[in-house]
Amino acid sequence: TQLLEQSPQFLSIQEGENLTVYCNSSSVFSSLQWYRQEPGEGPVLLVTVVTGGEVKKLKRLTFQFGDARKDSSLHITAAQPGDTGLYLCAGVEDSNYQLIWGAGTKLIIKP
Amino acid sequence: NAGVTQTPKFRILKIGQSMTLQCTQDMNHNYMYWYRQDPGMGLKLIYYSVGAGITDKGEVPNGYNVSRSTTEDFPLRLELAAPSQTSVYFCASSYSRPGAKELFFGEGSRLTVL
Repeated sequence: TQLLEQSPQFLSIQEGENLTVYCNSSSVFSSLQWYRQEPGEGPVLLVTVVTGGEVKKLKRLTFQFGDARKDSSLHITAAQPGDTGLYLCAGVEDSNYQLIWGAGTKLIIKP
Repeated sequence: NAGVTQTPKFRILKIGQSMTLQCTQDMNHNYMYWYRQDPGMGLKLIYYSVGAGITDKGEVPNGYNVSRSTTEDFPLRLELAAPSQTSVYFCASSYSRPGAKELFFGEGSRLTVL
């Protein structure tokens, strides 16, 4: 069974700090997406990465796809309370078109 | 623009009861999905559809059924509810195959089976 492991599972930090969350697998993905989910809502897409080594920036959020397309990271600079939520990564294997989801990183930013 | 709409938002069922979770989207998306989300477990695919009249099983289909008679609607039927089906259910849609385009999610339906 394909696994996407996210770490850490839970992170609570003060406003203004930087943080990085990780999404790792032993398999190669044709693309990987990051979603953010707020309580009582469905996940909302943040970014899609498709090329090994690709880096995408969304304001204070920086997403990187590993060179081998097996892992990804999300770095947040100067975190704000509005960044609080569950961050989910989801990858599509080269061999099929099903999305594999990580269990998520629950992020709390304290004012 | 409503996007993906799910009903009901909350429901409590007794063991053995049946119910249907409704899902409709107004974006003319061909692909639709049903997921369940359990605490700390991420999203598990129950069923998906690539177009009207076409459905297929996902990772955890047992105890569920779906139909796709129109592009807009993709209801999920729970037969003989069991406590293991207590979860939050999300319907989603996309313009094309997973990973290529964004998945749009509904707000979720929280189901408790007692």
